[in-house]
Amino acid sequence: EAGVTQSPTHLIKTRGQQATLRCSPISGHTSVYWYQQALGLGLQFLLWYDEGEERNRGNFPPRFSGRQFPNYSSELNVNALELEDSALYLCASSFVSGSNLGNTFGSGTRLTVV
Amino acid sequence: GESVGLHLPTLSVQEGDNSIINCAYSNSASDYFIWYKQESGKGPQFIIDIRSNMDKRQGQRVTVLLNKTVKHLSLQIAATQPGDSAVYFCAEIPPLTGGGNKLTFGTGTQLKVEL
Repeated sequence: EAGVTQSPTHLIKTRGQQATLRCSPISGHTSVYWYQQALGLGLQFLLWYDEGEERNRGNFPPRFSGRQFPNYSSELNVNALELEDSALYLCASSFVSGSNLGNTFGSGTRLTVV
Repeated sequence: GESVGLHLPTLSVQEGDNSIINCAYSNSASDYFIWYKQESGKGPQFIIDIRSNMDKRQGQRVTVLLNKTVKHLSLQIAATQPGDSAVYFCAEIPPLTGGGNKLTFGTGTQLKVEL
């Protein structure tokens, strides 16, 4: 069974640009969570999608947004990139709606803003 | 806001010794806790979990202890091996609310295994 896959693995953008990160959950998982892991910090919850709807978001500005597609894959968009957006962005999927039980993480997308 | 923190940022142990990684949590209503291991360049990997109605749970070479009185969580790794070198995170899940359910992580502890 394939795990959670994220693309691209690395992304370099210039300040002010937009970044799009993608995540494919484990087959059968309907919930997708996005986390930001800045260097030296823990994982910060960004967004939670379930059944195509945004269910919850963390303390991040509106320029962080995303969506979930009918096949449950998800996209994270970061607009007007700032230097401090440089981080590892992790996606996790779960087979239980609204729960992190059985949560499985992908390897992440390393976003560098220059 | 709620937070989960770790007592030690770095822990060095000799190969074959036991490792103990500690974690303090602040949300006394949290009913589920997870330990994750994150190796360099990889996403967090589930190690073991425990519910708030338990005070101990054992897995293969790992044991998690939960002390709700002092809101403390620990991960014990027996006979630590070089492959155990990684950053370890504890995470808590508060009770389900109308706003959904999400993990709250600490900064992590870097475990270094010395040969």
